[in-house]
Amino acid sequence: KAGVTQTPRYLIKTRGQQVTLSCSPISGHRSVSWYQQTPGQGLQFLFEYFSETQRNKGNFPGRFSGRQFSNSRSEMNVSTLELGDSALYLCASSLVGRPTPRGTQYFGPGTRLTVL
Amino acid sequence: TQLLEQSPQFLSIQEGENLTVYCNSSSVFSSLQWYRQEPGEGPVLLVTVVTGGEVKKLKRLTFQFGDARKDSSLHITAAQPGDTGLYLCAGAGPGGSEKLVFGKGTKLTVNP
Repeated sequence: KAGVTQTPRYLIKTRGQQVTLSCSPISGHRSVSWYQQTPGQGLQFLFEYFSETQRNKGNFPGRFSGRQFSNSRSEMNVSTLELGDSALYLCASSLVGRPTPRGTQYFGPGTRLTVL
Repeated sequence: TQLLEQSPQFLSIQEGENLTVYCNSSSVFSSLQWYRQEPGEGPVLLVTVVTGGEVKKLKRLTFQFGDARKDSSLHITAAQPGDTGLYLCAGAGPGGSEKLVFGKGTKLTVNP
């Protein structure tokens, strides 16, 4: 079974621009979660989508948004980029999305975003 | 305030040594997971512990969940260079929620 894929792997943007990141979950997985990872803050939860609906949301500003399509693929968008948005953005998929054995999360390799 | 505190933050040891990484919280979790992340990759799940006091072994790695389900430890015996990586603990369901919260991680370097 193919793992979680994320595109692009690397991205360089300038302040004020916007960016869209893509995540394809493992086949059959309906839940996709997004995380931001920085050296200072570690892994922080952005949001989770299940069957095209946002089910949970972390404490990030409205510049961060996402969506999920009917095939479970998900996109994350960041508008008006700031220097502090530079981070590794990780996507994780799971069968059910709840923190149970069936909800085990499988992470993709991440998208490294650099904002100049 | 970090919900899950991991210690130490950095650890550099010689091959063959033993080590323990700690993950502590004041919150009760329904389960706790340990991941290992290598540079340029996403975290990979090592183990999930569910029951208070539970001990799980994975070759040279021993994971323990505290009796009160608020803390956990990871012990590595006879560390090898291949154990090098960032070890993350993640607590599930703090305060009855459905979220998964991560510690900041322990960066382990095992020198040959």
